[in-house]
Amino acid sequence: KQEVTQIPAALSVPEGENLVLNCSFTDSAIYNLQWFRQDPGKGLTSLLLIQSSQREQTSGRLNASLDKSSGRSTLYIAASQPGDSATYLCARPNQAGTALIFGKGTTLSVSS
Amino acid sequence: NAGVTQTPKFRILKIGQSMTLQCTQDMNHNYMYWYRQDPGMGLKLIYYSVGAGITDKGEVPNGYNVSRSTTEDFPLRLELAAPSQTSVYFCASSYAQVDGNTIYFGEGSWLTVV
Repeated sequence: KQEVTQIPAALSVPEGENLVLNCSFTDSAIYNLQWFRQDPGKGLTSLLLIQSSQREQTSGRLNASLDKSSGRSTLYIAASQPGDSATYLCARPNQAGTALIFGKGTTLSVSS
Repeated sequence: NAGVTQTPKFRILKIGQSMTLQCTQDMNHNYMYWYRQDPGMGLKLIYYSVGAGITDKGEVPNGYNVSRSTTEDFPLRLELAAPSQTSVYFCASSYAQVDGNTIYFGEGSWLTVV
């Protein structure tokens, strides 16, 4: 069964800290991995899409890496801000590539 | 640019009632999806469509039906609502397969079955 696991389920940090969110997946034969952000009461917003030919992708203070051999991806957030408080989800395509399989998410709280 | 629009935002249903969640996208995307999100359980795929006239079941299709008569619209119908269908429902779309394409989500529809 294709599964996506995210650790930790929740994380609280003070403003300014650098932090890492983890995502692991079964079946290393994936083609890409995506990270999303979800604010309370809102839909999901795509943050980063890492293609299978890439090992990492960067957008501003966010950096996502992909290690297919170990079945892991990390989302690194530099110099965290209260506005980063949200739930972060990672997702991988199903075998047919027709839909995404999501992890349960990590809920991040950044205090000022 | 509206993106993916879902209606209604909130709805309370009685057990046994039926209703349709509407979803429309204005990005000319071929692929559309319905997910449900339960607290602490992540998103589960209900149905998806790869184009007008083509739909397929996802992980949790029981109790739901869909249709895709146009590229823009992908309504989700709940027949004989049950308390287990209390959830947040998200519609999403992508230009092509999610295997390499960005997926866009609507704001969600909160459904309570009592």
